[in-house]
Amino acid sequence: DVKVTQSSRYLVKRTGEKVFLECVQDMDHENMFWYRQDPGLGLRLIYFSYDVKMKEKGDIPEGYSVSREKKERFSLILESASTNQTSMYLCASSPPRGMGDTQYFGPGTRLTVL
Amino acid sequence: AQSVTQLDSQVPVFEEAPVELRCNYSSSVSVYLFWYVQYPNQGLQLLLKYLSGSTLVKGINGFEAEFNKSQTSFHLRKPSVHISDTAEYFCAVSDLKAAGNKLTFGGGTRVLVKP
Repeated sequence: DVKVTQSSRYLVKRTGEKVFLECVQDMDHENMFWYRQDPGLGLRLIYFSYDVKMKEKGDIPEGYSVSREKKERFSLILESASTNQTSMYLCASSPPRGMGDTQYFGPGTRLTVL
Repeated sequence: AQSVTQLDSQVPVFEEAPVELRCNYSSSVSVYLFWYVQYPNQGLQLLLKYLSGSTLVKGINGFEAEFNKSQTSFHLRKPSVHISDTAEYFCAVSDLKAAGNKLTFGGGTRVLVKP
């Protein structure tokens, strides 16, 4: 079974803090993704990575950065957290295109910025 | 650019009744189509997907969906729901020409199954 783990289920931070959200997958997947989930808006892609040290912006990258130094780990960084970044953050991984295209999701991190 | 519209934000339904969740997409290229389910306090898991072939796709837990290219729709159905089907359901599309396999999601449909 594919396992995607996220470092925290719940996180509370203060405005202006630097925040790190960690995601680890154990299936040797090339692709990894960070989404944020907000009521009524579904999931929106923040960044994705299709290889180590490679990253591409998604639909809402502003205020976020990412790091992928190892294949299994993909980190989302909020350089200076703001209250409008309060949200549920979901990480996912998938094999390369042509191998089923299913994304496998972690349980999510609910971040509150005060 | 792609977009996905889930026409109902909430669907209340009685146990053992049928349910249909509607999904329409817009894209200028060929796509793959997915339905994911999110149970309370969990991440998303795949219900079913359409990649090619038969337009009627069967998934887990008795769900099925039909791809209609002319109407750009991918509606999800279940003939008889259980209390355990209470969850949020997301439709998603993947552009075949895009790098990686990014997904564009709809806004989600909350299904509340009542006894």
